Amino acid sequence: QLQLQESGPGLVKPSETLSLTCSVSGGSISSSSYYWGWIRQPPGKGLEWIGSVSYSGSTHYTPSLKSRVTISVDTSKSQFSLRLSPVTAADTAVYYCARHPRGDAMDVWGQGTTVTVSS
Amino acid sequence: DIQMTQSPSTLSASVGDRVTITCRASQSISSWLAWYQQKPGKAPKLLIFKASSLKSGVPSRFSGSGSGTEFTLTITSLQPDDFATYYCQQHNSYFTWTFGQGTKVEIK
Repeated sequence: QLQLQESGPGLVKPSETLSLTCSVSGGSISSSSYYWGWIRQPPGKGLEWIGSVSYSGSTHYTPSLKSRVTISVDTSKSQFSLRLSPVTAADTAVYYCARHPRGDAMDVWGQGTTVTVSS
Repeated sequence: DIQMTQSPSTLSASVGDRVTITCRASQSISSWLAWYQQKPGKAPKLLIFKASSLKSGVPSRFSGSGSGTEFTLTITSLQPDDFATYYCQQHNSYFTWTFGQGTKVEIK
């Protein structure tokens, strides 16, 4: 079955760039039926959708992060990626990747990866 | 932006209880609402989509209802595995997904 796995540095310095990758296995990232998204959860807090990308590279971002976020897809590697820059301590969170049908709920999630922003 | 408000924030219940969680949207989202369950240290798990459609494999004691701005998640006969935090999420605004703040269901 479809599996998603996040990877990337667990510690990022303030003002630098957070970079994460989500690897997709057990299914195709190139399906036109789905988008691939990033969601984060600060410690002890709720969930925040960051943005999503289609297999063709079409992107959508949450307005509050739009100026700092880039999400891209590499279908040859079955991966999609998140870049957030510059970061502050407020970006410390567990970052999840997920799949969702266009305009629909997120039905498959990665296990999440913790990113701490600290000097 | 559409805001989602859940109530209560915390709910204390016993095994076997019927539990209801409410989610309100700041404007109509038709039936474009999902419910997720999250346990500590784990990713959220989709339970219900389009307000009342149960995801395959989710126990039938979970049900969702509502449309427009008011929605409910009901768990009939709460089981030990159901103690968790539940989030609603709207997916109506084209390419803007918003979560509620969460409802923690704890053991009474």
